[in-house]
Amino acid sequence: EVQLLESGGGLEQPGGSLRLSCAASGLIFSSYAMSWVRQAPGKGLEWVSGISGDGDNTYYADSVKGRFSISRDNFRNTVYLQMNRLTAEDSAVYYCARESGYRFDHWGQGTPVSVSS
Amino acid sequence: IQMTQSPSSLSASVGDRVTITCRASQSINNYLNWYQQKPGRAPKLLISGASSLQTGVPSRFSGSGSGTDFTLTISSLQPEDFATYYCQQSFTTLMYTFGQGTRLEI
Repeated sequence: EVQLLESGGGLEQPGGSLRLSCAASGLIFSSYAMSWVRQAPGKGLEWVSGISGDGDNTYYADSVKGRFSISRDNFRNTVYLQMNRLTAEDSAVYYCARESGYRFDHWGQGTPVSVSS
Repeated sequence: IQMTQSPSSLSASVGDRVTITCRASQSINNYLNWYQQKPGRAPKLLISGASSLQTGVPSRFSGSGSGTDFTLTISSLQPEDFATYYCQQSFTTLMYTFGQGTRLEI
């Protein structure tokens, strides 16, 4: 059974940094691209960033480009999201998702991020 | 690619037939997915490739369309179907943007 478990969320001040992790199990991790999707309180889903299975290709939404960085460790079966220069607009639940066949077929339970002074 | 869903919210009753529309700002062929999300839960994939029902999803759900215009239809609403539904384009490599969501209420 595929399981994705996010961690690393919490309360951070504006301008600060956080690193989210998503630990995967039950899959051949390096075979799958992974993405981060966020959802601000009471709002819809926003795709944030994606990374290819080998880690060579990364993609970002305009709203986070230059501030966020996605990476992965295929030995640890983990994908990361480094978030810098955080603003209140980055407050959201952050989900990691597995991409398979042009769709996100497995999701984690999410980790909440709150940016406030 | 911008994805626009309509309506943003919808009130319906058990047994009703409901249709949600999703429009892409450019042609995405059939690279269109639908997700269901209930409060406090992660999204669940319902339909991929515009019309392929995922394993375990009830057959009352169906999807259609290609190019820029797509629909999600629920043929006979059940109590557990009241949720928020999102379309998602997967035409642009790993930059899979979502529609703004349609909240389906009793």
